[in-house]
Amino acid sequence: DAGITQSPRHKVTETGTPVTLRCHQTENHRYMYWYRQDPGHGLRLIHYSYGVKDTDKGEVSDGYSVSRSKTEDFLLTLESATSSQTSVYFCAISPDRVGQPQHFGDGTRLSIL
Amino acid sequence: GIQVEQSPPDLILQEGANSTLRCNFSDSVNNLQWFHQNPWGQLINLFYIPSGTKQNGRLSATTVATERYSLLYISSSQTTDSGVYFCAASNTGNQFYFGTGTSLTVIP
Repeated sequence: DAGITQSPRHKVTETGTPVTLRCHQTENHRYMYWYRQDPGHGLRLIHYSYGVKDTDKGEVSDGYSVSRSKTEDFLLTLESATSSQTSVYFCAISPDRVGQPQHFGDGTRLSIL
Repeated sequence: GIQVEQSPPDLILQEGANSTLRCNFSDSVNNLQWFHQNPWGQLINLFYIPSGTKQNGRLSATTVATERYSLLYISSSQTTDSGVYFCAASNTGNQFYFGTGTSLTVIP
């Protein structure tokens, strides 16, 4: 199994608070991704990274920011959480070359009240 | 972005039966993957298959890129095959678009 750890696994917080989710990998893969999963939508890409300090937006990036200061860590931040951001968040990684299989972490269930 | 449609949305099978899941995509792709989400929510990569046919045990997949569809075959289904099957497509290698999945229930 790919070495991907997401933390926390569960979080409940209030509207307006900042939230940071962490994805940590031990595979030294270049590409890392953040997705959200909501009923009826499948998974949707939020942001991705193609190297340290190299990131780009995905399909649903509004309200989210990311940072990658080390190869192994990719952080997703909700600056001011809203109830519409209640979701299950998944991190994925893929090897150095574009066009390779993705492997997913176990997800973070985030509830914003 | 790429529109990805999966069918059927739901499928109930008796253990031992065979099934075919379909994934249609709206644009040419250079990356097509199939995933299984188990009842515990974990997403497992089944196939990376932008074109051609691959087999892995009781599962096989075929992608006909020129006709913009991919098929996932499950033979001799088992209860452990239950869950949701997703396909994901990309034509950049970075931006991936997922279908809404096929929910499979295998009954003993």
